[in-house]
Amino acid sequence: GAVVSQHPSRVICKSGTSVKIECRSLDFQATTMFWYRQFPKQSLMLMATSNEGSKATYEQGVEKDKFLINHASLTLSTLTVTSAHPEDSSFYICSARDQGRYEQYFGPGTRLTVT
Amino acid sequence: AQTVTQSQPEMSVQEAETVTLSCTYDTSESDYYLFWYKQPPSRQMILVIRQEAYKQQNATENRFSVNFQKAAKSFSLKISDSQLGDAAMYFCAYRGPLAQKLVFGQGTRLTINP
Repeated sequence: GAVVSQHPSRVICKSGTSVKIECRSLDFQATTMFWYRQFPKQSLMLMATSNEGSKATYEQGVEKDKFLINHASLTLSTLTVTSAHPEDSSFYICSARDQGRYEQYFGPGTRLTVT
Repeated sequence: AQTVTQSQPEMSVQEAETVTLSCTYDTSESDYYLFWYKQPPSRQMILVIRQEAYKQQNATENRFSVNFQKAAKSFSLKISDSQLGDAAMYFCAYRGPLAQKLVFGQGTRLTINP
């Protein structure tokens, strides 16, 4: 089956620093990747959609200069949280979709804690 | 804009019994896709079942089945013979015919009582 990995699974960083989260499709080519944010006991909130080789499309209200997304290859997308603050602490989930498929395949998520 | 509503924040059921989770959606499209995802405590999103709107037959996957009522814009999930491993958050999701992104409902937390 289609597998998506995320790294790291947990990260703690100090306020003001930047942190990068990687999302990889392991056994398929992900023409489209998605980044979500999930607060405790809440639903997934889509942050941005990225197509390989193109700039990401951000959802309304998401700061693109703060959440940098790169989708440079068909198997890798990265989310960089720049100048992180405690309010950026959250659970970040990526998903990937192969062109022509119905489903999105989700990564296991990354818990970010900013101290 | 499309919206998905899950009106039951929490549900509980006795092990081995049947439970139905509700989902309604709003769209002006005639062709679209609907999904139920499960998120257990590990927080890994798992696809439970999907339904293509053009198909009249309700989708079934083992103990999981849906009741898709297109005119009523309703898409409920029935879990038969509930098992302890079914305990999780369940999210209903919609995807339009040309859209890439999923629109999620608020989720329903399902508890299985032994």
